[in-house]
Amino acid sequence: ELKVEQNPLFLSMQEGKNYTIYCNYSTTSDRLYWYRQDPGKSLESLFVLLSNGAVKQEGRLMASLDTKARLSTLHITAAVHDLSATYFCAVDGRYGGSQGNLIFGKGTKLSVKP
Amino acid sequence: NAGVTQTPKFRILKIGQSMTLQCTQDMNHNYMYWYRQDPGMGLKLIYYSVGAGITDKGEVPNGYNVSRSTTEDFPLRLELAAPSQTSVYFCASLGSSVETQYFGPGTRLLVL
Repeated sequence: ELKVEQNPLFLSMQEGKNYTIYCNYSTTSDRLYWYRQDPGKSLESLFVLLSNGAVKQEGRLMASLDTKARLSTLHITAAVHDLSATYFCAVDGRYGGSQGNLIFGKGTKLSVKP
Repeated sequence: NAGVTQTPKFRILKIGQSMTLQCTQDMNHNYMYWYRQDPGMGLKLIYYSVGAGITDKGEVPNGYNVSRSTTEDFPLRLELAAPSQTSVYFCASLGSSVETQYFGPGTRLLVL
């Protein structure tokens, strides 16, 4: 059974600081996704990582995937208040024959304070 | 394109009542999904469909039913509502496996 663990679950940061959110998963997968959710809102796609060593960056966020270690990271550079949200990683549960059956982590609630 | 739309936005049900959550997408996506999100628990897959006429169970299907008669629509049926079904329900669709899933705005359901 595929399990996805994120840590930390809660993160309070000061503006301007850097931090990394970790996403570990338990079985082989070659597709990993990062989403953002604002309170009371739906999920917004941030990154799709499709191969070992994939790295994607958008603004102050950078995501990477190491399929051998079964680990993805979401790195935040020089945090700003607008990044406050809950971040989810999700792993495709079917290796090599995806039907998009995503298994989600519990999410990391990020709060960026002045 | 409207993307993925869901109705209703919010509903209160009494125990034992039934209802249908509607989901429609206008992107001609073959894959569609229903998730529930409980506080602090992330999202869990209820049912999914890989095309019209084809559905399958996800992680937590008990108490729910689905149908997929058209590419656009993927309704979720609750037959006998229970307090444990109090949650936020999200519908999503996917065009291809190299893309991301597109999520609807959600339906907040309260069963009392």
